[in-house]
Amino acid sequence: AQSVTQLDSQVPVFEEAPVELRCNYSSSVSVYLFWYVQYPNQGLQLLLKYLSGSTLVKGINGFEAEFNKSQTSFHLRKPSVHISDTAEYFCAVSDRSGGRRALTFGSGTRLQVQP
Amino acid sequence: DTEVTQTPKHLVMGMTNKKSLKCEQHMGHRAMYWYKQKAKKPPELMFVYSYEKLSINESVPSRFSPECPNSSLLNLHLHALQPEDSALYLCASSQEIRQRANYGYTFGSGTRLTVV
Repeated sequence: AQSVTQLDSQVPVFEEAPVELRCNYSSSVSVYLFWYVQYPNQGLQLLLKYLSGSTLVKGINGFEAEFNKSQTSFHLRKPSVHISDTAEYFCAVSDRSGGRRALTFGSGTRLQVQP
Repeated sequence: DTEVTQTPKHLVMGMTNKKSLKCEQHMGHRAMYWYKQKAKKPPELMFVYSYEKLSINESVPSRFSPECPNSSLLNLHLHALQPEDSALYLCASSQEIRQRANYGYTFGSGTRLTVV
């Protein structure tokens, strides 16, 4: 079984400031890691994913995340946010064993970008 | 085509009604999923279909009945729902290639269901 913890339920930040959204996971097996964004009244859009290889993953809209196996973390970062980045962000994990092949989501972090 | 299409986008139904949610993808994905999302909560897995066969049922009440008529379509039949079933229902798909799964989950925009 695996679980995902997003420690911050809300992150307020001013426009053009950097931001980091934290994600920690727990799993007894190797995992794939994802970040999704959900804009109001919409479905989920994939920002980026870590499957293997380089631990620094670049995604869409200027976001990137770093996989840290020793700290079991996959924090999401953006050097300069825009008003349009205001949304709910979900970290998710899927195990590599092939047993369930489905995503487990964290509780989400609401990013509020202020002018 | 790189989308998962869900219809309808909004649905209001009474507790005695029967309705269906539809999901369609033409990406050749062989795994399809139903998730339920309550307000300000993360999506919760309901069902997983793999190669048109039901693979996972997360102890979902029988008033929700999934169906996968072919590799492109996924339905969720609803009957005798309760007001607490009101939520955003999300469909997703992912591709499986031989022994290595490409975990590229694509989500639809969801159906917002209100049970009155």
